[in-house]
Amino acid sequence: GAVVSQHPSRVICKSGTSVKIECRSLDFQATTMFWYRQFPKKSLMLMATSNEGSKATYEQGVEKDKFLINHASLTLSTLTVTSAHPEDSSFYICSAPLRQERASYEQYFGPGTRLTVT
Amino acid sequence: EDQVTQSPEALRLQEGESSSLNCSYTVSGLRGLFWYRQDPGKGPEFLFTLYSAGEEKEKERLKATLTKKESFLHITAPKPEDSATYLCAVPYPSGAGSYQLTFGKGTKLSVIP
Repeated sequence: GAVVSQHPSRVICKSGTSVKIECRSLDFQATTMFWYRQFPKKSLMLMATSNEGSKATYEQGVEKDKFLINHASLTLSTLTVTSAHPEDSSFYICSAPLRQERASYEQYFGPGTRLTVT
Repeated sequence: EDQVTQSPEALRLQEGESSSLNCSYTVSGLRGLFWYRQDPGKGPEFLFTLYSAGEEKEKERLKATLTKKESFLHITAPKPEDSATYLCAVPYPSGAGSYQLTFGKGTKLSVIP
């Protein structure tokens, strides 16, 4: 199966600072990647779609100036949480779709990044 | 609007006690149904894709089946290491030639030794 990595796996930062999370597709190219947020014991919540060569698309209610997304290449997307606050503490997961034979896309997820803002 | 409903929310089994998880869906034009396994503190791990009614796929103690309205994940003789949350999802077009996923809320499976 396809492999998606994330870095770092855990990060602790102070309020007011910014944190960058990287998402890489290791063995395939992805013109689109997705960023999710997951609260404890809750389902994944889509935050935004990262598009290579164009602006990211944000879901309703997600602040684009707070969660900066850059799709730098066909294998790398980054999520920067700017001016982080304790309420931004969460588990962030990225995914990348891999096209299949039947014109569908299987999505492969990274291992996630646990962000704690103190 | 595409909808995905999973049941039960939680399932507790004794080791070796086989059972099934259900995922019912309402979509316009199914482009595949995906099953994932998610362990605490980790990203979802891809298990299966099913495309058409009647299709079945197996992996170790897991077998996924698909009808026109629902999918089942059958777990045969489960072991404690099968404990996890199992998610099903269906894709829908997100523009730019790609697809987002609509997830069910998941079934949390606990297998007791």
